[in-house]
Amino acid sequence: GAGVSQSPRYKVAKRGQDVALRCDPISGHVSLFWYQQALGQGPEFLTYFQNEAQLDKSGLPSDRFFAERPEGSVSTLKIQRTQQEDSAVYLCASSRLEIDSRPKNIQYFGAGTRLSVL
Amino acid sequence: SQKIEQNSEALNIQEGKTATLTCNYTNYSPAYLQWYRQDPGRGPVFLLLIRENEKEKRKERLKVTFDTTLKQSLFHITASQPADSATYLCALDMTNNAGNMLTFGGGTRLMVKP
Repeated sequence: GAGVSQSPRYKVAKRGQDVALRCDPISGHVSLFWYQQALGQGPEFLTYFQNEAQLDKSGLPSDRFFAERPEGSVSTLKIQRTQQEDSAVYLCASSRLEIDSRPKNIQYFGAGTRLSVL
Repeated sequence: SQKIEQNSEALNIQEGKTATLTCNYTNYSPAYLQWYRQDPGRGPVFLLLIRENEKEKRKERLKVTFDTTLKQSLFHITASQPADSATYLCALDMTNNAGNMLTFGGGTRLMVKP
């Protein structure tokens, strides 16, 4: 597609339920990022993939959060045993690796998945 | 601690005026600073990027300045229009490595009244 696609757009989960959020990046984009955005706040970094390799997962808030990108394109963010504090918008972004001498790291975002944990 | 501060209060201005948004940071030495626009229910959209060795960058009605001594960036929208109403986010990229994550400020909501 032309842009980053995320599904579902909205997810309501009962506390303790597992959820899986999907991201389809822009075709050919090597880098993929997941961010968490609380209401009225800026996005906060969760994890980063370059192709299928997860190079940085320092932002994942707990071991209940797990992300994968097995074939270097589609990525899934999984949250196990959801808690109320997990309620937020989860944004996915992709970017290409610039081949000139000055990488720019411009990121293209999806519309996000709004997760509400009851 | 490391901080990126944007005015959390909404900025209300009259159509046609220039909107100026501020991004201040501490304890960072970013290689790049980016500005994004976010509309309700949407993801952020890239607007402008400025490098650490650049003082000013322009694009149509948008202008960004970057003062690494003051650790501040200003984002200006001239001849503002109601369609410019949105939340504006500044984001820092600390290194020259492709693919590094961005660190965002909390955003400033701009309301342009007709």
